Amino acid sequence: DAGVIQSPRHEVTEMGQEVTLRCKPISGHNSLFWYRQTMMRGLELLIYFNNNVPIDDSGMPEDRFSAKMPNASFSTLKIQPSEPRDSAVYFCASSFSPNYGYTFGSGTRLTVV
Amino acid sequence: GENVEQHPSTLSVQEGDSAVIKCTYSDSASNYFPWYKQELGKGPQLIIDIRSNVGEKKDQRIAVTLNKTAKHFSLHITETQPEDSAVYFCAANTGNQFYFGTGTSLTVIP
Repeated sequence: DAGVIQSPRHEVTEMGQEVTLRCKPISGHNSLFWYRQTMMRGLELLIYFNNNVPIDDSGMPEDRFSAKMPNASFSTLKIQPSEPRDSAVYFCASSFSPNYGYTFGSGTRLTVV
Repeated sequence: GENVEQHPSTLSVQEGDSAVIKCTYSDSASNYFPWYKQELGKGPQLIIDIRSNVGEKKDQRIAVTLNKTAKHFSLHITETQPEDSAVYFCAANTGNQFYFGTGTSLTVIP
């Protein structure tokens, strides 16, 4: 298995633009998680899905953030409009269930200028 | 919700020495405690985990101990090597999600 695949690896965008981050979980994993990592706040859970259904989105910072999982093999995290404070590394992770160890992707480094 | 505290935030050891990283948690219902290693430019990688029905688990040079009464768990790395240099995160589950510690940056000096 190729692991959790995220794209793009790096994204530089101007403030106000829409940004879409993509994730392909490991086949057979039923849970998918989006995390944001910054020096100040560490790893923050944004949202997680179980069997493609959003279970907890309380970590989504505001309405500018949205996430979808249209099928078991694909998820997106969208920021619209983006702001400089959204600059961070965004990780997608998947697991067999919420209480098993995660497999993280390599992350997307987002820079909003 | 769960509160996971991790110490120290930075740790430097000589190659061959041991390294110990400690975490505490607050939710007595937590029953699964994974440890992750994050190398520069990469995502965190699960290196070892422990469930609440055991007190210790070992995998070659890495071991984890758990004290449920005191609500703390530790990562032990023996015979450290330069490639052990990374940021290490502990985590504890509560409900259907994990809460992560703030990370320990380990530097192994050759």
